[in-house]
Amino acid sequence: DIQMTQSPSSLSASVGDRVTITCRASQNIHTYLHWYQQKPGKAPNLLIFGASNLQTGVPSRFSGSGSGTDFTLTITSLQPEDFATYYCQHSYSAPRTFGQGTKLE
Amino acid sequence: QVQLVQSGAEVQRPGASVKVSCKTSGYTFTANYLHWVRQAPGQGPEWLGWINPNIGATVYGQQFQGRVSITVDTSLRSTFMELRSLRSDDTAVYYCAREGLDGTVPLDHWGQGTLVTVSS
Repeated sequence: DIQMTQSPSSLSASVGDRVTITCRASQNIHTYLHWYQQKPGKAPNLLIFGASNLQTGVPSRFSGSGSGTDFTLTITSLQPEDFATYYCQHSYSAPRTFGQGTKLE
Repeated sequence: QVQLVQSGAEVQRPGASVKVSCKTSGYTFTANYLHWVRQAPGQGPEWLGWINPNIGATVYGQQFQGRVSITVDTSLRSTFMELRSLRSDDTAVYYCAREGLDGTVPLDHWGQGTLVTVSS
């Protein structure tokens, strides 16, 4: 199975900050990497697919980069509604594992 | 618009089975794979498996092999997830999710989740 490792597990930031979350895959997954945002009591919501493509309706302050094994999610100019937990997930093969999450607070 | 609406919360005894449903609308049902994901309290999501609604073919996570079944009823535009021999650590919110048609196949729409509690 491909293991997904996110860092940091939690991140303290303020409105207006720029933050970066990283995700590392245990083997080459090309760009089969997606980022989700989850708020308490809600389902995950797709932000970035294929490592760097912004899902329709997602603000442009979110961006993703990387390929192979190392990926990043960047949020520029944090807004109050961005404080949530973020997960990466690969879709290269089964099982489609998720990272353990990064709580932005 | 695309919607996935799941059945309500369940409480089951250890050793019992649970079946959760997910009704879809707003797209061609057979065009997209459907996945099931669960999330235990305070934990990250855990992938259970997927189904191709067109032919009913499934792939399951190895840790769930033999205990989980994912099915579809195309006439109802619905997918179902049955988990058997329930244990207390199966207590989680269970989600269905649609796989997008982009080549990298992200999960682009999700159900609202169904809380399954396993308790004696």
